[in-house]
Amino acid sequence: GAGVSQSPSNKVTEKGKDVELRCDPISGHTALYWYRQSLGQGLEFLIYFQGNSAPDKSGLPSDRFFAERPEGSVSTLKIQRTQQEDSAVYLCASSFQAGGYNEQFFGPGTRLTVT
Amino acid sequence: GNSVTQMEGPVTLSEEAFLTINCTYTATGYPSLFWYVQYPGEGLQLLLKATKADDKGSNKGFEATYRKETTSFHLEKGSVQVSDSAVYFCAPSYSSASKIIFGSGTRLSIRP
Repeated sequence: GAGVSQSPSNKVTEKGKDVELRCDPISGHTALYWYRQSLGQGLEFLIYFQGNSAPDKSGLPSDRFFAERPEGSVSTLKIQRTQQEDSAVYLCASSFQAGGYNEQFFGPGTRLTVT
Repeated sequence: GNSVTQMEGPVTLSEEAFLTINCTYTATGYPSLFWYVQYPGEGLQLLLKATKADDKGSNKGFEATYRKETTSFHLEKGSVQVSDSAVYFCAPSYSSASKIIFGSGTRLSIRP
């Protein structure tokens, strides 16, 4: 596609439920990143993939968070037993390859609200 | 660890005013430097970048120069417009880490 797409755009869930967020990167981009943006806070790195492996998952807040990219393209971020503090906008980005000099292209985000 | 400090907002200016948003980063390694912008209701997008010392990134009238000696990448625009109202993020990217370290963001509002 023309840009990074994410779905759903909005998700409201009850505390304790599991959610799954999807990211479809730009075709041909080998690197994919997940960030989150909490209300009134900056952007927080969660995890990045190079192909189908995740060299850096240091930003995942807890073991309730899990991300995968099995075929090196679409990625899903799964949050189990959601908590209210998980409420945030989850952003996905992709770049042609990993490496600090590569521009990252961002999707529109998924706004997650945990009630 | 690597970090970035940018000017706190919100910043409110009148149209045609001069804008500076300060940004400094830690000097571990040799990062690429980016400014990203988030317009109301839109996703993050790259505004400009610089990848080596003394490089000047520019776009839409905005400029920023990679200053290695002061570890800074201040964003400037000579004459702001209402359409520049947005949140601006300074973002060094360290090649060893492959992730962008985002500043806290500066909300800019321009009065007509």
